[in-house]
Amino acid sequence: QQPVQSPQAVILREGEDAVINCSSSKALYSVHWYRQKHGEAPVFLMILLKGGEQKGHEKISASFNEKKQQSSLYLTASQLSYSGTYFCGAGGSYIPTFGRGTSLIVHP
Amino acid sequence: GAVVSQHPSRVICKSGTSVKIECRSLDFQATTMFWYRQFPKQSLMLMATSNEGSKATYEQGVEKDKFLINHASLTLSTLTVTSAHPEDSSFYICSALLRGKDGLSIQYFGAGTRLSVL
Repeated sequence: QQPVQSPQAVILREGEDAVINCSSSKALYSVHWYRQKHGEAPVFLMILLKGGEQKGHEKISASFNEKKQQSSLYLTASQLSYSGTYFCGAGGSYIPTFGRGTSLIVHP
Repeated sequence: GAVVSQHPSRVICKSGTSVKIECRSLDFQATTMFWYRQFPKQSLMLMATSNEGSKATYEQGVEKDKFLINHASLTLSTLTVTSAHPEDSSFYICSALLRGKDGLSIQYFGAGTRLSVL
């Protein structure tokens, strides 16, 4: 079952912070985060495992709440290069089911 | 990070013809690759799992005779869209699974192929 992402879209100015949420109706064992720019391949950001969290990038981090079956991606002091669509993938193995994505637009 | 090459990036074909898309892992061996389809502003929908040396595993609703997958080597998987029709027009993306020493398995994606069937 597809995880639900919110919000669907975020528009902010350079330097502002953003949070993208991902929730699942099923128990989560791992959460994968990817960013995709238009017409390009999704780029792996990080993976969070049950029982812990992993920080993949300097100003982009994520949390994983197993009890609530949720994960949140935190983008701090957004840069123009952060623009794109962010997908969370949730699943019990390495084949995640991806959410519909959150479009992030960072303006100068 | 690991590099996955997908070719071609764009293809236009006539209805009824077949199109082959290649997916290569350039700097690692991938016994498992995946094929996705993505509609505009939609999520990545898994079509099939490609396993080196064995038959691909297709997701429910995906026609195996329509979308032929061959994973003949540890670095190459191909997707052939047979007798393509306009409704097959889409963005197809492959990924290759990298198994890390720490036990984590991460998918690395190709750049995608935009298929347009006239």
